[in-house]
Amino acid sequence: QSALTQPASMSGSPGQSITISCTGTSSDVGGYNYVSWYQKHTGKAPKLMIYAVSNRPSGVSNRFSGSKSGNTASLTISGLQAEDEADYYCSSYTSSNTGVFGGGTKLTVL
Amino acid sequence: QVQLVESGGGVVQPGRSLRLSCTASGFIFSSYGMHWVRQAPGQGLEWVAIIYFDGSDKYYADSVKGRFTISRDDSKNTLYLQMNSLRADDTAVYYCAREVTTVYYYYGMDVWGQGTTVTVSS
Repeated sequence: QSALTQPASMSGSPGQSITISCTGTSSDVGGYNYVSWYQKHTGKAPKLMIYAVSNRPSGVSNRFSGSKSGNTASLTISGLQAEDEADYYCSSYTSSNTGVFGGGTKLTVL
Repeated sequence: QVQLVESGGGVVQPGRSLRLSCTASGFIFSSYGMHWVRQAPGQGLEWVAIIYFDGSDKYYADSVKGRFTISRDDSKNTLYLQMNSLRADDTAVYYCAREVTTVYYYYGMDVWGQGTTVTVSS
C-alpha cells in the first residue's frame, strides 16, 4: 500500500490554471476509475472535490475538474482564487480492496 | 443536516486500547459504506479501514491490520473503530467519512466528521 505520488508543492497566480498530478500503478489508479480528490485546510476536515475520476459533487465549483490517463490522475483548477490555497490529496481504490491516499500537494496562490 | 460526529479520542499509553465512535445524523446510515481516515501530526491523510453498508465486508490498511477493528451499529447510527495494541505512530486525528454513493465503494468520501485526536504516549 504505497502512497500515490503527488508533487509536494505547487503555486500559481490568481486567474491562472494549475494541474496537480497523482501517479500510481496499474494496481490502483491505472486499474480502476475510483480516483477521488480532496481539499484540506489546516484544522478542517477534508472536502471532496472530485469522485470517480471526473465527477464533481453538488456545490463544488466547476473550476475544479478531474481526469485520468494510464496510471496518472490529474486535478485541474482553473481561474485560481485565493480561497483555493490549501492542501490537496488524491485517493484511489487498490487491488487489495483497500484505499490509498497520495502524499498531498500544498497549493499556494501567489 | 447531514452530519458525522466523532468521539472517544484521548491520551493513551502504548499497548493499551481505545474505541472511537462516529455518530451519524441526517441520512440513512444503514445504506452507506463508511471509512476511517487518519492524519498524523505534520503528515498527510492515511486511509485506515472501510466497512460495507451491511457490515458484510471490512478491509484494513496494512499498518493497522490485526490491531484495529471497524464495526457499525445501525440501530444507533454509529460507526466504531476499536484500536488495540496502540503504538506511538498511531497518534493522529481520526476522521470518519461516508461513501459518496450507496451503490459503490471507494468512489469518494463526501461527508466527514470534525475528527477526534488520539495521542499514544507514555
